[in-house]
Amino acid sequence: DAKTTQPNSMESNEEEPVHLPCNHSTISGTDYIHWYRQLPSQGPEYVIHGLTSNVNNRMASLAIAEDRKSSTLILHRATLRDAAVYYCIRYTGGGADGLTFGKGTHLIIQP
Amino acid sequence: DAGVIQSPRHEVTEMGQEVTLRCKPISGHNSLFWYRQTMMRGLELLIYFNNNVPIDDSGMPEDRFSAKMPNASFSTLKIQPSEPRDSAVYFCASRLDGMNTEAFFGQGTRLTVV
Repeated sequence: DAKTTQPNSMESNEEEPVHLPCNHSTISGTDYIHWYRQLPSQGPEYVIHGLTSNVNNRMASLAIAEDRKSSTLILHRATLRDAAVYYCIRYTGGGADGLTFGKGTHLIIQP
Repeated sequence: DAGVIQSPRHEVTEMGQEVTLRCKPISGHNSLFWYRQTMMRGLELLIYFNNNVPIDDSGMPEDRFSAKMPNASFSTLKIQPSEPRDSAVYFCASRLDGMNTEAFFGQGTRLTVV
């Protein structure tokens, strides 16, 4: 039970923004939201994380809803190399609970 | 640091044989995770170590699977005897505990049991 819900797949065009949604309606006040992605034939890699405020880094932006029950990973200008499975994880901290992966969203980028 | 190092990258073995997968976590990390990934079941957490101690092994499928972490720089996942349904990619990940820390994954070991 990954405790988050994501669409199975999404498709976007190259050089356009991509918004990947994640529902985590049972999140508690101290849970962080972490995003990972898995490129073909590789292990998952960290993308971004946040608690309450929107976050930006060189890879992506994370927009967290005010009630924290959902979040959106934003790729500002998708490239073909962004084609991957994106995982949204509710990180409770401590133990292995924070590293349980769901099915994720398979992002397809069209040239 | 070279990242999380797994060996071998590929392993082909016959049913009934013992298989040992190896993982070297990033130096200084105190948590280590073993995962199994298949098309059908996705990325499954098998076992989690913290400070070399197994904390949660509820994901280990059956007694044929065992994992050890004799020290902070080495872990093994053993399957004995192996079966064709064990064919999968096995990932190891390590992390320095904390709410703001990320986990780092190895490149995985692709196991094929024939």
